[in-house]
Amino acid sequence: AQKVTQAQTEISVVEKEDVTLDCVYETRDTTYYLFWYKQPPSGELVFLIRRNSFDEQNEISGRYSWNFQKSTSSFNFTITASQVVDSAVYFCALSEADDYKLSFGAGTTVTVRA
Amino acid sequence: DAGVTQSPTHLIKTRGQQVTLRCSPISGHKSVSWYQQVLGQGPQFIFQYYEKEERGRGNFPDRFSARQFPNYSSELNVNALLLGDSALYLCASSLRAGAYNEQFFGPGTRLTVL
Repeated sequence: AQKVTQAQTEISVVEKEDVTLDCVYETRDTTYYLFWYKQPPSGELVFLIRRNSFDEQNEISGRYSWNFQKSTSSFNFTITASQVVDSAVYFCALSEADDYKLSFGAGTTVTVRA
Repeated sequence: DAGVTQSPTHLIKTRGQQVTLRCSPISGHKSVSWYQQVLGQGPQFIFQYYEKEERGRGNFPDRFSARQFPNYSSELNVNALLLGDSALYLCASSLRAGAYNEQFFGPGTRLTVL
């Protein structure tokens, strides 16, 4: 069975600090996909990134970066120089190759204080 | 282009009643998925429909049912409501079936069962 664990429930930082969100996953499949979504107070889930299990390259998009390590089954997300607009709940999710569902972690609430 | 739309935005029902939630996917998207998000938790997969056929079902009782129409819009029905059904119900659309496809989420319908 697939499982996603986000051990950090809440993180609070001051603006311009970096924040790293941890995500650990479990799956028996060799082909799978990992995702990060952002959920602002409005409730709508916003897609941030998708990686497949064969692509371990780290990725950077503006102030966002992702570190995928198969050896530790982790897919961590870093926000550099955080801003108040980054305040939201962030979810890590996993999909196995032939599956129809996303399995989400419990989410990490990030609060960025001015 | 319009994103995924859901109606109603909020709904209050009493135990034992029935409810119908509606979702319109992004134009051109043929797949719709439904998720339940209980407060403080990650979304849980309920159904995925593609080309009007059920392609996947999560671990939910038979009180939950859904359908997809020829225009690819979808309805989620919940019968015999329980207090535990109180949640944010999210709809997501994608071009094709399979959770590995990028899914675009709507703002959700917040259901309160009293």
